Amino acid sequence: SQTIHQWPATLVQPVGSPLSLECTVEGTSNPNLYWYRQAAGRGLQLLFYSIGIGQISSEVPQNLSASRPQDRQFILSSKKLLLSDSGFYLCAWSNLAGGTEAFFGQGTRLTVV
Amino acid sequence: AQSVTQLGSHVSVSEGALVLLRCNYSSSVPPYLFWYVQYPNQGLQLLLKYTTGATLVKGINGFEAEFKKSETSFHLTKPSAHMSDAAEYFCAVSDHNAGKSTFGDGTTLTVKP
Repeated sequence: SQTIHQWPATLVQPVGSPLSLECTVEGTSNPNLYWYRQAAGRGLQLLFYSIGIGQISSEVPQNLSASRPQDRQFILSSKKLLLSDSGFYLCAWSNLAGGTEAFFGQGTRLTVV
Repeated sequence: AQSVTQLGSHVSVSEGALVLLRCNYSSSVPPYLFWYVQYPNQGLQLLLKYTTGATLVKGINGFEAEFKKSETSFHLTKPSAHMSDAAEYFCAVSDHNAGKSTFGDGTTLTVKP
């Protein structure tokens, strides 16, 4: 069966520090991968998605970037965090054709102080 | 372009009462529609989905939803609420790339004893 791992679960970082959040998927090949952000009391906003290694699409302009160095690995990064980067970050995958549902990781609670 | 409107950011029901969470969508193509549930500090779990076929779909934990094209609605219902149903619920729409979904702002369901 397929599983998705996301870490760390919580993170407190100072303003101006770098960020690296990692997501890996097991049990499937060539997944579509996604990074979402959830602000307090709001829905999910799609940040990035990837249909293959090295192929990243950005949905909104921001201080963050994403990379996909391996088929089942998706990384969310920042060189210098801003206070406004605080939030709950969720990684998700669906099958290559877009699938009939998305599967979400457990999320990372990022607090920038 | 797609959009989702969830009517009511907070819904409170008594244990054993009917649960009704409202969702209206906008889509330029025949949509895929989803309801997800989120418990505190966790990822999203799929409750049910509509892709094609029967317009009344049944999901996990006794929930069901009906796709009404004429009303552009996909309301979530459960005949009898349990305390364990207390959570946040998200409606989402996609154009057949399930991971690239547009989410509503969510509805927090409170169940009173």
